[in-house]
Amino acid sequence: GNSVTQMEGPVTLSEEAFLTINCTYTATGYPSLFWYVQYPGEGLQLLLKATKADDKGSNKGFEATYRKETTSFHLEKGSVQVSDSAVYFCALRDYNTGNQFYFGTGTSLTVIP
Amino acid sequence: DTAVSQTPKYLVTQMGNDKSIKCEQNLGHDTMYWYKQDSKKFLKIMFSYNNKELIINETVPNRFSPKSPDKAHLNLHINSLELGDSAVYFCASRLTPATEAFFGQGTRLTVV
Repeated sequence: GNSVTQMEGPVTLSEEAFLTINCTYTATGYPSLFWYVQYPGEGLQLLLKATKADDKGSNKGFEATYRKETTSFHLEKGSVQVSDSAVYFCALRDYNTGNQFYFGTGTSLTVIP
Repeated sequence: DTAVSQTPKYLVTQMGNDKSIKCEQNLGHDTMYWYKQDSKKFLKIMFSYNNKELIINETVPNRFSPKSPDKAHLNLHINSLELGDSAVYFCASRLTPATEAFFGQGTRLTVV
């Protein structure tokens, strides 16, 4: 079946630190991969996506590369800001199951000045 | 303009009551969803509606019933509320199943 596993949180970093949030997946087919972000009190927003192996999604300084060989889609940012404090969700969408989304459990990030 | 809007944002109610959460999208999307986010932030799909037809029901108790009066609205009715129903419920929509999903701000339901 399909599933997404994210590193457990919460994660606390100082401003300008390097961020990595690990995400691995299991899929029956060839999924598209996503990172969504949920800021406090708001809904989920698409942060970035990649639709095939070796694609790199990027947005707002965040990057993630679709690694088929390791079934991973780790989220990285070189220098985090206080405004990046949020919950980050890794997700996959599998064409073989009607394009249904499967979300990870979310990783809470707090950036302190 | 808000793309996907939910009301109310907060809902506190007693066990046994019946309540509804409304969702509207102004994006012209064909597919709408309801997700439940539990206290551990885990998101689980509850329902999917495509052109007013239910296409997914992920073993949700029949106390939960989605109602879609038109393509732009997908309301969630919950009967005989239980403590375990306390969660944040998110509405979402997509143009097609193969495109990006847009989420509402969520409705925090607390059952006391």
